[in-house]
Amino acid sequence: EVVMTQSPVTLSVSPGERATLSCRASQSVGTNLAWYQQKPGQAPRLLIYSASTRATGIPARFSGSGSGTEFTLTISSLQSEDFAVYYCQQYNNWPLTFGGGTKVEIK
Amino acid sequence: QVQLVESGGGVVQPGRSLRLSCAASGFTFNRYAMYWVRQAPGKGLEWVAVISYDGSVKKYADSVEGRFTISRDDSKNTLYLQMNSLRADDTAVYYCARDQREYSYGYPLPYWGQGTLVTVSS
Repeated sequence: EVVMTQSPVTLSVSPGERATLSCRASQSVGTNLAWYQQKPGQAPRLLIYSASTRATGIPARFSGSGSGTEFTLTISSLQSEDFAVYYCQQYNNWPLTFGGGTKVEIK
Repeated sequence: QVQLVESGGGVVQPGRSLRLSCAASGFTFNRYAMYWVRQAPGKGLEWVAVISYDGSVKKYADSVEGRFTISRDDSKNTLYLQMNSLRADDTAVYYCARDQREYSYGYPLPYWGQGTLVTVSS
């Protein structure tokens, strides 16, 4: 099983600042990596797939990068609606696996 | 627009069974693989099962293999999850989700339902 490790667990950021979230895979997943955003009481929302492609309707302030085992999600200028939990997920191998999540909170 | 609506959750005793349903609309159901993903209270996301667009492929997480069965009824545009021998650690919100691509499986999940809570407790 591919273990996905996200860091940090919690990220405190002021509105308007940049946020950088990391995701590491225990083995190479190529670019078969997705990022999801989840707000309390809501289902996850797909943000990024293929490591760097924004999903439909996702604002340009969200960007993804990386390949192999190291990935990054960057939110260029945090808006109030961006405070949430973010998960990475690999879909290169079965079972599909998610990282433990990074909570982005207001500083 | 794509809609996925789960139902069937509730409180169940350990060792008993429960069947979840997911009613799909807004897309051609029989063209897409479908998934169940769960989230224990206060925890992260865990993939549970997938069924291919034609039902020929079913995969399960080790944690549910042999106890849970995923199925689909394309005539009713509905996905199911039969859960047997339930345990306390199966307590979670269960989401159904749709694959990104037609006629394939193992891709990202752009559409999710709102989830249904299953609580396993005596």
